[in-house]
Amino acid sequence: RKEVEQDPGPFNVPEGATVAFNCTYSNSASQSFFWYRQDCRKEPKLLMSVYSSGNEDGRFTAQLNRASQYISLLIRDSKLSDSATYLCVVNGGGGFKTIFGAGTRLFVKA
Amino acid sequence: GAVVSQHPSRVICKSGTSVKIECRSLDFQATTMFWYRQFPKQSLMLMATSNEGSKATYEQGVEKDKFLINHASLTLSTLTVTSAHPEDSSFYICSASGDNSNQPQHFGDGTRLSIL
Repeated sequence: RKEVEQDPGPFNVPEGATVAFNCTYSNSASQSFFWYRQDCRKEPKLLMSVYSSGNEDGRFTAQLNRASQYISLLIRDSKLSDSATYLCVVNGGGGFKTIFGAGTRLFVKA
Repeated sequence: GAVVSQHPSRVICKSGTSVKIECRSLDFQATTMFWYRQFPKQSLMLMATSNEGSKATYEQGVEKDKFLINHASLTLSTLTVTSAHPEDSSFYICSASGDNSNQPQHFGDGTRLSIL
């Protein structure tokens, strides 16, 4: 089992749709969680951190479920510019390093 | 926010050439920097963890004599691809975070390396 798993997609959605991605992690000692966005042939950029209480930033909502060891990202009112690969990132203490998921590809169509 | 600068952004060179890539943290001190490689349509693969003032920690399968890492200061790490061959062509990205290991990493712009 991979340490961080994501559905690779692709997710093809129309503009205005709501889309959700899940990511599961295997190390219960993981301490911090992030979603990154990576555009084609570009470096990953931090989208948002994921907190235990959940957090929202505009059209984006991130949730953490420690009991089931998964995090989620919800995108509302999708825009064409949201088309990208979304990377789930898990970070832990005790020598556990940062692990990147393989990414979920999203295509938003007009 | 934290800024990480990577240079050069694009390198095209002949087989056998050694290529040095620089990664700088511009507005924070980075005791640890990370070097990744990404092949087309594949995920980021961690190559090594660069520690200021000490030897880098390489991931399994990454040749330390092939990919030389130097982290001489709290704001600069370099990756040198020695005697590069076409199979070394890839997108190389560095990242850095602050002292707290639970902080997010911030990435450089990446270096696209093409070996002819």
